[in-house]
Amino acid sequence: DTGVSQNPRHKITKRGQNVTFRCDPISEHNRLYWYRQTLGQGPEFLTYFQNEAQLEKSRLLSDRFSAERPKGSFSTLEIQRTEQGDSAMYLCASSRQNKGGYTFGSGTRLTVV
Amino acid sequence: AQKITQTQPGMFVQEKEAVTLDCTYDTSDPSYGLFWYKQPSSGEMIFLIYQGSYDQQNATEGRYSLNFQKARKSANLVISASQLGDSAMYFCASLDSNYQLIWGAGTKLIIKP
Repeated sequence: DTGVSQNPRHKITKRGQNVTFRCDPISEHNRLYWYRQTLGQGPEFLTYFQNEAQLEKSRLLSDRFSAERPKGSFSTLEIQRTEQGDSAMYLCASSRQNKGGYTFGSGTRLTVV
Repeated sequence: AQKITQTQPGMFVQEKEAVTLDCTYDTSDPSYGLFWYKQPSSGEMIFLIYQGSYDQQNATEGRYSLNFQKARKSANLVISASQLGDSAMYFCASLDSNYQLIWGAGTKLIIKP
């Protein structure tokens, strides 16, 4: 198992463009989480899936953000009409249900210019 | 709501010395355990150590140990014989009742040669 994989590692985009990130969790993990982290801060929870169901969504997640996990395996996080304030590290993690062990991916660093 | 407090925004430690990173939790139900993660400048979130709140002994993983004091609601991370590669951000986190991570603000540790 290669752990949690995130693509791309870095993304630079112009304000107003749409971006999509991908996360491939550990195969036997049925929970998948998205976090956002800005410089000098701890990660902020965005949303999580149990299998293909999106069970919770943070109020931080505006209407411009959408996440999917169509087959309960990989997940995508899309940001529409990006703003400079969206610049951050986007972290994905996976875990087994009701088990504490989280494994994080390397993150996708988004820069909106 | 649960809250994790890390009171040390930054620390400088001489190489080979031991270092203690503070973490206190504010929750009425700590039954889901506590975690420490390391985040180097590359951005990846690396799991270090986990303490189950009902574990009788403090957790240890190589040079990492967790000084868990329930009465004080503290779960300090101790790194013995620090190395230059230990320079990173360190985050304390706990699980809430939905098995989601609640994060502290982090401590930036710099190891001096």
